[in-house]
Amino acid sequence: DTAVSQTPKYLVTQMGNDKSIKCEQNLGHDTMYWYKQDSKKFLKIMFSYNNKELIINETVPNRFSPKSPDKAHLNLHINSLELGDSAVYFCASSQETGASTDTQYFGPGTRLTVL
Amino acid sequence: DAKTTQPNSMESNEEEPVHLPCNHSTISGTDYIHWYRQLPSQGPEYVIHGLTSNVNNRMASLAIAEDRKSSTLILHRATLRDAAVYYCILAGGYNKLIFGAGTRLAVHP
Repeated sequence: DTAVSQTPKYLVTQMGNDKSIKCEQNLGHDTMYWYKQDSKKFLKIMFSYNNKELIINETVPNRFSPKSPDKAHLNLHINSLELGDSAVYFCASSQETGASTDTQYFGPGTRLTVL
Repeated sequence: DAKTTQPNSMESNEEEPVHLPCNHSTISGTDYIHWYRQLPSQGPEYVIHGLTSNVNNRMASLAIAEDRKSSTLILHRATLRDAAVYYCILAGGYNKLIFGAGTRLAVHP
């Protein structure tokens, strides 16, 4: 069974469109995260949620909105897509929040290409 | 956010030990040192973490300097599957991981 899964794996879309990426974890974890890895391969945290509550909100355009229907899911909605949004987006989860000993488990990534 | 410094790349031969260094001179007393790795076309994968004492697990060992300003990830016998980018990270509040550029490890048969 996949611990952290993301759909879709690939997403190609036009500028200006609105798209969503879904993430699910079956580990029973309380905290989920979204990271962005750009073309230079730098991984940057975007958001984290603990039990459906926003914990970390980095400097991310408000076109990006995370939505957590329950603690096993954290979806990422992106409005008015721009060329610079092209990247690989990774979802992750960990047992707790605030514990710097927690291991984060990452999904396989979603490669978003904006044309 | 505390930062780390790693060599851009390293090379090893298969079945030889690999020592991946990391400098973190601005580490605070409560920062844990984490290592993750990212295999090609995959998400990052946890390797090991520690605070002050050296740590061992099935994947690797972590040697932490006495002043905690540096650490070394040790792969005891490199395999081809260990070829990846290795990230040394200081985990801060809310378990926020700040990834740097990492060290790209190449393993030769």
